[in-house]
Amino acid sequence: NAGVTQTPKFRVLKTGQSMTLLCAQDMNHEYMYWYRQDPGMGLRLIHYSVGEGTTAKGEVPDGYNVSRLKKQNFLLGLESAAPSQTSVYFCASSKTGTGSYGYTFGSGTRLTVV
Amino acid sequence: GQQLNQSPQSMFIQEGEDVSMNCTSSSIFNTWLWYKQEPGEGPVLLIALYKAGELTSNGRLTAQFGITRKDSFLNISASIPSDVGIYFCAHLTSGSRLTFGEGTQLTVNP
Repeated sequence: NAGVTQTPKFRVLKTGQSMTLLCAQDMNHEYMYWYRQDPGMGLRLIHYSVGEGTTAKGEVPDGYNVSRLKKQNFLLGLESAAPSQTSVYFCASSKTGTGSYGYTFGSGTRLTVV
Repeated sequence: GQQLNQSPQSMFIQEGEDVSMNCTSSSIFNTWLWYKQEPGEGPVLLIALYKAGELTSNGRLTAQFGITRKDSFLNISASIPSDVGIYFCAHLTSGSRLTFGEGTQLTVNP
């Protein structure tokens, strides 16, 4: 009964370093999403995927890349981390895109770029 | 993108009090969703609304989809300490993407 699992939970990067955040879901959901959360700004969509092998840009995609090679996994990459990417990152998945079943969110990854 | 204006930004209340928060937009929406986020966790869906005028309850929570389709409110009755968290309104854009308001931080004093 894992739902959506994000790894790692915490990470500190130096400016210019790269890293990949992993999101895994075991609910056979078609749709997956990456959000970032900053104080006072709610959650903003970075990239999303409507199925295996597909990705699309969200509201704030610059500086990030994603891949959905397997249906259950959605990877978020930072090629050259910047302090402005310090944030809490949330992955979510949904069965359909209509919101009828809601989105299931992971517990988040807290990333600090120094 | 379409902006959701959520108010108030924060609330400090005593246990047992009722709470009301709302969300407005300049655009017409077909859905309104309310989420709660507890510290260290991701948001969890509380209530989903799909029709103008719809009033839906989930325990002590009640939410309404405004008649104009540009607003929604969430009420919590008889608050308890475990109601603490950030409450977000959200709506679905085309392409099945959720757009969130800025959130209302609720603190409940025992």
